[in-house]
Amino acid sequence: KAGVTQTPRYLIKTRGQQVTLSCSPISGHRSVSWYQQTPGQGLQFLFEYFSETQRNKGNFPGRFSGRQFSNSRSEMNVSTLELGDSALYLCASSGLGTEQYFGPGTRLTVT
Amino acid sequence: GENVEQHPSTLSVQEGDSAVIKCTYSDSASNYFPWYKQELGKRPQLIIDIRSNVGEKKDQRIAVTLNKTAKHFSLHITETQPEDSAVYFCAASPGTYKYIFGTGTRLKVLA
Repeated sequence: KAGVTQTPRYLIKTRGQQVTLSCSPISGHRSVSWYQQTPGQGLQFLFEYFSETQRNKGNFPGRFSGRQFSNSRSEMNVSTLELGDSALYLCASSGLGTEQYFGPGTRLTVT
Repeated sequence: GENVEQHPSTLSVQEGDSAVIKCTYSDSASNYFPWYKQELGKRPQLIIDIRSNVGEKKDQRIAVTLNKTAKHFSLHITETQPEDSAVYFCAASPGTYKYIFGTGTRLKVLA
């Protein structure tokens, strides 16, 4: 099976802009989670989607949003980008079990 | 709120020695505890996990122990090798696909 894929892999945006990141889970996986990874902060949970519904949400401002499509692909959107949003954004998918499998991440740089 | 503390933040050991990384969680509903290894520039990879109905689990040179009463769980790596050098993350989940991660431990195995 193909692993979790994320596009784009690298992105440079300007403060105030918005960005959309995409994640394709492992075939058959219906749960997709998103994380923000920054040095010193580890992985911080953003939200989790299952069957197009957001089931879990972390403690991030409303500028961070997501959605999931019927084919389980997920997108994450960040509006009004701030310098502090620069990070590696990881998505992970889960199947019937609770094990998560991570994608390679999208490195976002906000200037 | 939900929190996972992980110690130490950095750990250097001589090749062949053992390494121990400790985590403490706050949510008593947590029942699933995975450990991830992240090599430089790569995605986190699940290396071992433990559920709350088990006190210890071993996989070759890696073992995880769980003390539910104290809300502690630990990763033990024996006979360390240079390829064990990476950042290790612990996580805790109440089984609802929401994972709280520790801030990571950078392990360096010195040859």
